[in-house]
Parts: sequence; structure tokens; C-alpha cells
Amino acid sequence: GAGVSQSPSNKVTEKGKDVELRCDPISGHTALYWYRQSLGQGLEFLIYFQGNSAPDKSGLPSDRFSAERTGGSVSTLTIQRTQQEDSAVYLCASSSSPVNSYNEQFFGPGTRLTVL
Amino acid sequence: AQSVTQLDSHVSVSEGTPVLLRCNYSSSYSPSLFWYVQHPNKGLQLLLKYTSAATLVKGINGFEAEFKKSETSFHLTKPSAHMSDAAEYFCVVSDPGAAGNKLTFGGGTRVLVKP
Repeated sequence: GAGVSQSPSNKVTEKGKDVELRCDPISGHTALYWYRQSLGQGLEFLIYFQGNSAPDKSGLPSDRFSAERTGGSVSTLTIQRTQQEDSAVYLCASSSSPVNSYNEQFFGPGTRLTVL
Repeated sequence: AQSVTQLDSHVSVSEGTPVLLRCNYSSSYSPSLFWYVQHPNKGLQLLLKYTSAATLVKGINGFEAEFKKSETSFHLTKPSAHMSDAAEYFCVVSDPGAAGNKLTFGGGTRVLVKP
């Protein structure tokens, strides 16, 4: 079956530009997560959506980062006024309900963002 | 707060020899623990998970891990390495006391398998 998909796979942008990264979770998964994988910080949590509840934004590094999840399915991560330190691989994951610590999160292949 | 420490950033083994990847965790609660593998230019794939049912957990591709509460460890092992095991491995903890099942990742261990 279809897994988590992300687009684009690679994105090169200039410092100061805005970028949008897209995630399509596994059909029927109500929980969606964004993580960032960078050389200096490793893998870190960014934001979490569960159904129609307000998202948990506690991992977003600055107010330049935002995310939406429309219709409880597709999510878009937006980075405004990109900086070179935003260069990283952005990973999306989804999991089924009930959301508890036992449920596996299924990861997409990631979007590699390079800010010049 | 929870944290994960992977004690080796790189491990090099010969094909056919055992693999040991070390992981120590810190958690305020009885945690759920996972090992994920990431092959080059691929997404993260779950190898195995500990959810308190049994302390010795068997995963895919011949990997297993043992949860030792007294040592706060969750080391990953495989009796005989294969060339296809060359990848980066992440030890991950999920705190059941925290809402949303956010994962905390270790720094990763890159495994090199020599022929």
C-alpha cells in the first residue's frame, strides 16, 4: 500500500525566500508529525497534528516556521525568510489512532532543503 | 524530560561477525523504546519496539534488542552482519506520560560493514 509521501524530494532556495514542503500521510492516519534532521542537531521534533485538535507546535524553532493540515490529511510546512541554518532534511511521519507511545510512526522519504 | 544517548557514532564490523549498537535512555516514566534504521537516501524504517510486553524484543532482518531497566539500556544486536546492514541506526524513546507520542531520537550510529 501507499506509504507517506513528501514533495519535493529536494529544494534549493536562496536566503530570504519562503518555501513550502508538502506531506501526504498514510490514508486513515489521524496523527501527523514533522521532524527535522540536520548535521548539527540530529533528528528533532517540530510539530504534531492529531485530528481536528490544535497542533502541538512546541518544537518549532522560530516564528518563521508554521504548518497547516487541511481536511485532516495533507500537511504543508512553511518556512518564511529562509536562513542557511534551515538547511536540513525535513521528515514527515504519520500514525494511526489511538495515538499512544506504542504506535509506530511511519516516515516519509523526506525533503532535503538547501538554503544558499 | 526524556533523552537518548547512543554511545557510538560509528561502528565498523566485518561481514558475518556480530553487531552491537549501544543505547542508553533517560525517562521520567516507563518508556516505549524503538530502533529505526535509515539507509542512504531512504526514509526511516522501524526495526523493532519495546512496549513492556517482553524485555527481549525481536525485530526484522535478524535484529534484536534487550531492555534493561536497571541499566537504562536498550542495546541492539545482530549475530551476523550482512552487507545490506550498512546504514544509520537510531535509538528512539517515546514518553507515555507526554501527549502526542513525540519521539526523541538518539544521535545515530553509522554502521559500516566490511567484506
